[in-house]
Amino acid sequence: KQEVTQIPAALSVPEGENLVLNCSFTDSAIYNLQWFRQDPGKGLTSLLLIQSSQREQTSGRLNASLDKSSGRSTLYIAASQPGDSATYLCAVRRGTSGSRLTFGEGTQLTVNP
Amino acid sequence: DGGITQSPKYLFRKEGQNVTLSCEQNLNHDAMYWYRQDPGQGLRLIYYSQIVNDFQKGDIAEGYSVSREKKESFPLTVTSAQKNPTAFYLCASSIGREKLPQETQYFGPGTRLLVL
Repeated sequence: KQEVTQIPAALSVPEGENLVLNCSFTDSAIYNLQWFRQDPGKGLTSLLLIQSSQREQTSGRLNASLDKSSGRSTLYIAASQPGDSATYLCAVRRGTSGSRLTFGEGTQLTVNP
Repeated sequence: DGGITQSPKYLFRKEGQNVTLSCEQNLNHDAMYWYRQDPGQGLRLIYYSQIVNDFQKGDIAEGYSVSREKKESFPLTVTSAQKNPTAFYLCASSIGREKLPQETQYFGPGTRLLVL
């Protein structure tokens, strides 16, 4: 059974700092991995999707990497801003059969002005 | 303006009562999903449907039921058999081409269910 873990559970940083969020998964046979953002009391917004054959994806100040063999992904946020404050969740797609996702518990990020 | 709508935003359930959460999408997506989110936890899959008139149980289906009579609608009923229904419920949809590597799920704004 696939299990996804995110560390740390919460993170508070001053504005302008570069930071890294971590995601690990137990079964390396994944189809892809996604990072989502969730604002308090809201739904999820997809940030980046990395296919199993890729090593990283970039979008603006965000960079996500994937190391399937070690079962790890990182989300790097450059020059953090207060507007980045949210919960970040990673999710792995369980192979090619169906589009079912397994989610981590999330990292709650607070960027202080 | 395409998207996923969920209603109501807040829902209160009395003990022994069944309640139904609405989810509608106008994205022309084939696949739809229901997730439950508890505080400090990730999302857990309740039910999903890859096509009209067909649906499958997810990881925590007990105490829930769904229907998929129309492509754009996937209502979730929380039955009295669900003993701990207080949670945030999220509906999602995707194109449904499961072998498409870039396929992603789009989420609604959620419904918070509280027990009186």
